[in-house]
Amino acid sequence: DAGITQSPRHKVTETGTPVTLRCHQTENHRYMYWYRQDPGHGLRLIHYSYGVKDTDKGEVSDGYSVSRSKTEDFLLTLESATSSQTSVYFCAISEASIANTDTQYFGPGTRLTVL
Amino acid sequence: GESVGLHLPTLSVQEGDNSIINCAYSNSASDYFIWYKQESGKGPQFIIDIRSNMDKRQGQRVTVLLNKTVKHLSLQIAATQPGDSAVYFCAENIPGADGLTFGKGTHLIIQP
Repeated sequence: DAGITQSPRHKVTETGTPVTLRCHQTENHRYMYWYRQDPGHGLRLIHYSYGVKDTDKGEVSDGYSVSRSKTEDFLLTLESATSSQTSVYFCAISEASIANTDTQYFGPGTRLTVL
Repeated sequence: GESVGLHLPTLSVQEGDNSIINCAYSNSASDYFIWYKQESGKGPQFIIDIRSNMDKRQGQRVTVLLNKTVKHLSLQIAATQPGDSAVYFCAENIPGADGLTFGKGTHLIIQP
């Protein structure tokens, strides 16, 4: 998994509670991404970061926020979890931007269930 | 190919045969493509990539073919092994888009 860890790997929570997922990389890559994966859909981008404190929204950002205070860590927060946010969440990293056509490498994923 | 609804297309091949997995991508301006392999319970794993200025690229036991005329990408796996069982999906980079655009995947099943 290209030096990428995600924590927790599994979480069950209740509707309305805040949840934070962590992605940690040891590759010193500049770009980090959060995706969700659901049946019937390809991976969909939630948020991404192009440097410390530099983040931007992706395709499905509503209800999510992110923070990146260090190169190696990218946090995804569900402000108030809803059942529609039950999904598998993947973190990815790349050395250069997509504009420079650099490959993204993925972490092992976090399975989140919101009851 | 791409999936419809909740069920992925399935390709079943005999161990030792060659597999060909197809992907129809969405945008004629896409300039970079990646094939990923995803085993159950794991994250997507990079297999091979190709840029739009190429039509073929070979790796170890894998070949990617790009046909820009019909917006079609294929992944060929030679001498398929049991460890090749997984979901395979393509991704494309559309210039100006935020991040890659992913296909839904094809489930490759290896018959003994």
